[in-house]
Amino acid sequence: AQSVTQPDIHITVSEGASLELRCNYSYGATPYLFWYVQSPGQGLQLLLKYFSGDTLVQGIKGFEAEFKRSQSSFNLRKPSVHWSDAAEYFCAVGALTGTASKLTFGTGTRLQVTL
Amino acid sequence: NAGVTQTPKFRILKIGQSMTLQCTQDMNHNYMYWYRQDPGMGLKLIYYSVGAGITDKGEVPNGYNVSRSTTEDFPLRLELAAPSQTSVYFCASSHGGTDTQYFGPGTRLTVL
Repeated sequence: AQSVTQPDIHITVSEGASLELRCNYSYGATPYLFWYVQSPGQGLQLLLKYFSGDTLVQGIKGFEAEFKRSQSSFNLRKPSVHWSDAAEYFCAVGALTGTASKLTFGTGTRLQVTL
Repeated sequence: NAGVTQTPKFRILKIGQSMTLQCTQDMNHNYMYWYRQDPGMGLKLIYYSVGAGITDKGEVPNGYNVSRSTTEDFPLRLELAAPSQTSVYFCASSHGGTDTQYFGPGTRLTVL
């Protein structure tokens, strides 16, 4: 069975600073990997996803993530954080079961941005 | 285009009561999913559907039932509510099995 680990429960960065959120996964085959963001009281919004091809993936809101098979990682990065980026971030791995993709989520990293 | 809508937003149930969480999507997506999110945890898949009339269990299906009579609707039924079902419930949909899942705003359920 697949699993996802997000080692950092809570991260605080200053506005304008760079950001890296860690994600490690366990999956026997080539994974489908996702990063979602959840603002307070809201549903989840997709930031980016990796299925195959280029291991550096660009997403919305200036985020990017790099798939590193050798490290089983899919870390999320942003060069300059904005106050509006404060939210909870979830990494997920997708496994195909029949025709459906079942997502397994990490426990999330809460990002706080100081001005 | 409203996307994925869920009702109600909040609900308090007594132990043993039943209720249905509603989920509707207007994107003509074939795939629909129900997740629950417990405090400090990631989302866990309860049930999913790959099309009208077809449903299957996810990781944590016990205590829940689903049906999918139309493409648009995917209600989640709790028959005998228990405190362990206190959670935030999210519905999601996607066009294909590996496509992006679009999430609704959630239903916060408390069972006392």
